[in-house]
Amino acid sequence: QVQLQESGPGPLRPSETLSLSCSVSGASIRSPGYYWTWIRQHPRKGLEWIGYITHSGTTYSAPSLTSRVSFSLDSSKNQFSLRLTSVVGADSSVYYCARDGASVGLDVWGRGTTVTV
Amino acid sequence: QSALTQPPSASGSPGHSVTISCTGSSTDIGRYDFVSWFQQHPGKAPKLILYEVTKRPSGVPDRFSGSKSGNTASLTVSGLQTEDEADYFCSTSAGTDTYWVFGGGTTLTVL
Repeated sequence: QVQLQESGPGPLRPSETLSLSCSVSGASIRSPGYYWTWIRQHPRKGLEWIGYITHSGTTYSAPSLTSRVSFSLDSSKNQFSLRLTSVVGADSSVYYCARDGASVGLDVWGRGTTVTV
Repeated sequence: QSALTQPPSASGSPGHSVTISCTGSSTDIGRYDFVSWFQQHPGKAPKLILYEVTKRPSGVPDRFSGSKSGNTASLTVSGLQTEDEADYFCSTSAGTDTYWVFGGGTTLTVL
């Protein structure tokens, strides 16, 4: 059974950098065919797709966030990470990591972590 | 891609059926079958209940079904149960190697 768990910081101040990690169990992030994804949910419940990183390190991000966001893999820990620079209040959200199985879609989600700016 | 349009709320009585719509455009829902639906209970992560318009992941009851017509996808919940009270989100992507957009969510109330 694949499980994902986010870990992140305490409250941030505007202009700081957000760093989040997602620990994966039950699957290897180096296995092809999956997109390791970040999504956030704003307080008034809307979901926003942030971007993904593949097993080979290919990344893709939402056009509105491309200039501030980056992703990385840590195979030794079976983790993938998100980095969002120059945060503002509007970046306050619950951040989820998820597995995107391409045609299957976003089939496994972490429990989410709350980020407050 | 623009966000998808869902009604903010829907309701139904136990045992009855309810259908939630999700309207996109001819460049996303109208062109591709990459439509997913998620169920989210308060304080919980979204859970995938339908993908590729009509397919259910293992463990999802067949009371949940999906369809698509033109630029609009629909989720039907049959035989409503109290545990079906939740927020429901639709999502679509313009194929692989691109990104997902979501609807604003529909709060389903089982009266």
